[in-house]
Amino acid sequence: DAKTTQPNSMESNEEEPVHLPCNHSTISGTDYIHWYRQLPSQGPEYVIHGLTSNVNNRMASLAIAEDRKSSTLILHRATLRDAAVYYCILRDYAGGTSYGKLTFGQGTILTVHP
Amino acid sequence: DAGVIQSPRHEVTEMGQEVTLRCKPISGHDYLFWYRQTMMRGLELLIYFNNNVPIDDSGMPEDRFSAKMPNASFSTLKIQPSEPRDSAVYFCASSLTLGDRSHSGANVLTFGAGSRLTVL
Repeated sequence: DAKTTQPNSMESNEEEPVHLPCNHSTISGTDYIHWYRQLPSQGPEYVIHGLTSNVNNRMASLAIAEDRKSSTLILHRATLRDAAVYYCILRDYAGGTSYGKLTFGQGTILTVHP
Repeated sequence: DAGVIQSPRHEVTEMGQEVTLRCKPISGHDYLFWYRQTMMRGLELLIYFNNNVPIDDSGMPEDRFSAKMPNASFSTLKIQPSEPRDSAVYFCASSLTLGDRSHSGANVLTFGAGSRLTVL
């Protein structure tokens, strides 16, 4: 399975933008980049996903490098509620036993200061 | 919709006892997933079902673990006998599809709040 590398932790101040990086140098052409987050004492929740083009939704933006070997999740104005563990996951659609599976790594712990 | 419903939220039991965790997926979702989360190993996929049929159980740790989905609205994860190393938070998740790659949200996993299991 293609792996992702994320910083263990990051810090931000409230109402400032946050850029969460993810490296995935072994990404294949059929891998989609998914981001989930897990708030304290809750189950993970979906944030955003993309393949090649940058994506925006109400929660965040996803910037994908042209060679797809890295991506960045952007929270435009961090709030205290955004403090969570953020997971960058490659979701494989090539077929086989790993098709469509969501395999979580260790993620980045985001701390937001008031 | 109330989302994915898990019970119990907390379970404390003694080693050797049987444990049954329950999950009600979102109505209409065809896929159901069981995950386990520990500090040491993070979030691990144990098993997933499609239309009530187990598709991949390669993540189930050993024979003490079993999962069933008797109908589209109910699944159980059973541990018998339980051991202290089974202590973890167990999450259930469901999704409409697995392979839809659009941004319709159909392949998004919605997780429950989890069941925290402590085996003494």
